[in-house]
Amino acid sequence: NAGVTQTPKFQVLKTGQSMTLQCAQDMNHNSMYWYRQDPGMGLRLIYYSASEGTTDKGEVPNGYNVSRLNKREFSLRLESAAPSQTSVYFCASTVVEDSNTEAFFGQGTRLTVV
Amino acid sequence: AQSVAQPEDQVNVAEGNPLTVKCTYSVSGNPYLFWYVQYPNRGLQFLLKYITGDNLVKGSYGFEAEFNKSQTSFHLKKPSALVSDSALYFCAVRDINDMRFGAGTRLTVKP
Repeated sequence: NAGVTQTPKFQVLKTGQSMTLQCAQDMNHNSMYWYRQDPGMGLRLIYYSASEGTTDKGEVPNGYNVSRLNKREFSLRLESAAPSQTSVYFCASTVVEDSNTEAFFGQGTRLTVV
Repeated sequence: AQSVAQPEDQVNVAEGNPLTVKCTYSVSGNPYLFWYVQYPNRGLQFLLKYITGDNLVKGSYGFEAEFNKSQTSFHLKKPSALVSDSALYFCAVRDINDMRFGAGTRLTVKP
């Protein structure tokens, strides 16, 4: 079982460059999430998608866009990368109908913006 | 908005001693609470969750958590720590569409 797969695992960008982080899950989950993890700040929610075709802002959406391409895939785009976006990015998925269902996480993308 | 707080960013214990990692929550309505663990260079892994019912929840790797409604707490515990338990631990709260995490507590278990 692949679970949640993120690509790439590592990326270095120059300030102003754009890129898309990819996430795919094979568990038929409705809800998908993008988080960023920074030291001392835990995981902060960037965007989430409760179902195909819907997306909503989380705590820190500025500078990011997302696309829920289909039920399996949820991508995160940085249009013009900034050093403040240097972080580790995690994608997660879960069932939406039950709030007591745990989430499954990808391995993370370590992004450095120079 | 719902939230969780982890008041300690670091917990150190000796191997074989009991451990506690603290979490407090703020929700409207029923709380759906979780603990996750993160090992170096890995994603988060589910440990255990609170569903209405028993206040003592048992999870993976010998961990358990105690739900206390009056103190709005959900502390993670283990009777006897192992060196391999050293990791970053996150408390989380969930509603139907949203999932929020605490800042994390780094647990170090020394031999």
